[in-house]
Amino acid sequence: IAGITQAPTSQILAAGRRMTLRCTQDMRHNAMYWYRQDLGLGLRLIHYSNTAGTTGKGEVPDGYSVSRANTDDFPLTLASAVPSQTSVYFCASSDSGEAGHTGELFFGEGSRLTVL
Amino acid sequence: GQNIDQPTEMTATEGAIVQINCTYQTSGFNGLFWYQQHAGEAPTFLSYNVLDGLEEKGRFSSFLSRSKGYSYLLLKELQMKDSASYLCAVKDSNYQLIWGAGTKLIIKP
Repeated sequence: IAGITQAPTSQILAAGRRMTLRCTQDMRHNAMYWYRQDLGLGLRLIHYSNTAGTTGKGEVPDGYSVSRANTDDFPLTLASAVPSQTSVYFCASSDSGEAGHTGELFFGEGSRLTVL
Repeated sequence: GQNIDQPTEMTATEGAIVQINCTYQTSGFNGLFWYQQHAGEAPTFLSYNVLDGLEEKGRFSSFLSRSKGYSYLLLKELQMKDSASYLCAVKDSNYQLIWGAGTKLIIKP
């Protein structure tokens, strides 16, 4: 049972470099999310996708982009990394966020990114 | 603005009971979640409340009062493995989750 798989687990990156964090789920969930988690702050939503082919901006989207070409994959790209993007990134999925569904989130194990 | 408040840190003794409070102010309400997160790990789902009252699940219970914008997570018969952060999250009128910063629970022998 895989659930949600994120890669890499950890990465140190030079400022200005491009980086893609990968996320794959095998639960056939419609909705997927990318969060960042920083000490003392709650999880902050970067981007989300309610279904394959659609994406939306969350609370902190600047400097990040996503794509959702199919149900299973939801990569997050940092076009030109900056030190303030040093964080732990969590990918998550849910069956649906709307009425009639709990919308419980299932999280990947996280990707710890350090930008120097 | 939307806001979720939880205590930053709590300490309790093994075998005891602890209550973690969460108050919220959000644009609409479509449910409240509690997640557990051990250090260095991903959050995992604990409970979901959408109607007022108490939901019990083993040693853990979660309570909701929508009129007061208030919830609590009650942990009984505390074990050392319960040392973790507990995250409160509310689903707003757009079905987006608003997260609290989490409560770090320290269990002492």
